Amino acid sequence: EVRLVQSAAEMKKPGESLRISCKASGYPFKNYWIAWVRQKPGKGLEWMGVIYPGDSETRYNSALQGHVTMSVAKSTSTAHLQWTSLEAADTATYFCARHVHGGPPDYYYMDVWGKGTAVIVSS
Amino acid sequence: DIVMTQSPLSLPVTLGEPASISCRSSQSLLHSNEYNYLDWYLQKPGQSPQLVINLASKRASGVPDRFGGSGSGTHFTLNISRVEAEDVGIYYCMQVLQTPYTFGQGTKLDIK
Repeated sequence: EVRLVQSAAEMKKPGESLRISCKASGYPFKNYWIAWVRQKPGKGLEWMGVIYPGDSETRYNSALQGHVTMSVAKSTSTAHLQWTSLEAADTATYFCARHVHGGPPDYYYMDVWGKGTAVIVSS
Repeated sequence: DIVMTQSPLSLPVTLGEPASISCRSSQSLLHSNEYNYLDWYLQKPGQSPQLVINLASKRASGVPDRFGGSGSGTHFTLNISRVEAEDVGIYYCMQVLQTPYTFGQGTKLDIK
């Protein structure tokens, strides 16, 4: 069974650093992109970007680039999302999802999702 | 970035009745391969999103045939022929033609 297990909820202060994780199992981790999707409280979904575990190639939503970093650890089949200096605006639930190729050229969709990691940033 | 606009944002429906959600994109989502790069996701209360329709009209694995997707170019529709209790949640359209991929605002479907 393909599973993505995300790390527990976090409560942080502005300016603190944070790394959340998404552990994959049930499939060859390095062969499939991982997407990150943000959902602010009571709001809709926002695509943050994707990372390819095979070579760590990343594609970021330019609106977020520079503030957050995606990475992977192939040895543990884990994807990470990291902040060096959190802001209150980072308060959200963060989902990881397997981003699979769907047949037509350049077509990808998200087929398996983690349950999300809630991040609260407050002084 | 491609802007996705859904309507209505709230959709109360009687059990057994049909439902329809519209999604419009600021640019055509029709690829040169003649597929429309438009997906529909459902986020049930307290859950992660799940794929319902991909490439505008293809039901995802395990999705009941009461769900149907249609449209091309910049205007798409998700139809549910007879709403059941398990269909409640927020439906999002999402364009996957170009990055950054973008979602509509979401349409909240609930039972009257």
